[in-house]
Amino acid sequence: DGGITQSPKYLFRKEGQNVTLSCEQNLNHDAMYWYRQDPGQGLRLIYYSQIVNDFQKGDIAEGYSVSREKKESFPLTVTSAQKNPTAFYLCASSIRSNTDTQYFGPGTRLTVL
Amino acid sequence: AQTVTQSQPEMSVQEAETVTLSCTYDTSESNYYLFWYKQPPSRQMILVIRQEAYKQQNATENRFSVNFQKAAKSFSLKISDSQLGDTAMYFCASHLSGGYNKLIFGAGTRLAVHP
Repeated sequence: DGGITQSPKYLFRKEGQNVTLSCEQNLNHDAMYWYRQDPGQGLRLIYYSQIVNDFQKGDIAEGYSVSREKKESFPLTVTSAQKNPTAFYLCASSIRSNTDTQYFGPGTRLTVL
Repeated sequence: AQTVTQSQPEMSVQEAETVTLSCTYDTSESNYYLFWYKQPPSRQMILVIRQEAYKQQNATENRFSVNFQKAAKSFSLKISDSQLGDTAMYFCASHLSGGYNKLIFGAGTRLAVHP
């Protein structure tokens, strides 16, 4: 089945630790995105990548980092510099970057203890 | 700043009835795309319907249809014959501008369908 997978589903982190959230897609999509969702709010863009080995900051990139070494994979690292990392993180992909529909993975819930 | 506004934080409807969720947006672009996404308790974001701004005809997907009023910058979602499985958060979103596919989301409307 084609789709987007995210792991883990739940993640707990101690303060001061870096953690990496996985996002994989087998849809052959060029573009991938990371969003953050806080309670009672819509999604906000963290980072996006239009092609392999290229990525750009979104609206709330501070404290996060990404890589795009393979077309299928777009991992997100939440660093200790992110002051309030507890949130729900959603990965998405689209065929290309210009106006194509974005399809989402199931999400990862990150909790900082 | 470009914005998408959903003015109804919560709504409820009886099973088999019709409900309309409101969305307004602000843009100076001439061409753009509008979306409704559904987020059930599983929290997976699921595309419900998509509208291209240059198309005058309102998009329809089975029980879901939109009322797109371009001049008023309004994009409401109508759900007909509501089902219990329609219970979810509904987000309006727009690809408004830029050289990349940046989606701007509204804050969402929580819809409860009652038997």
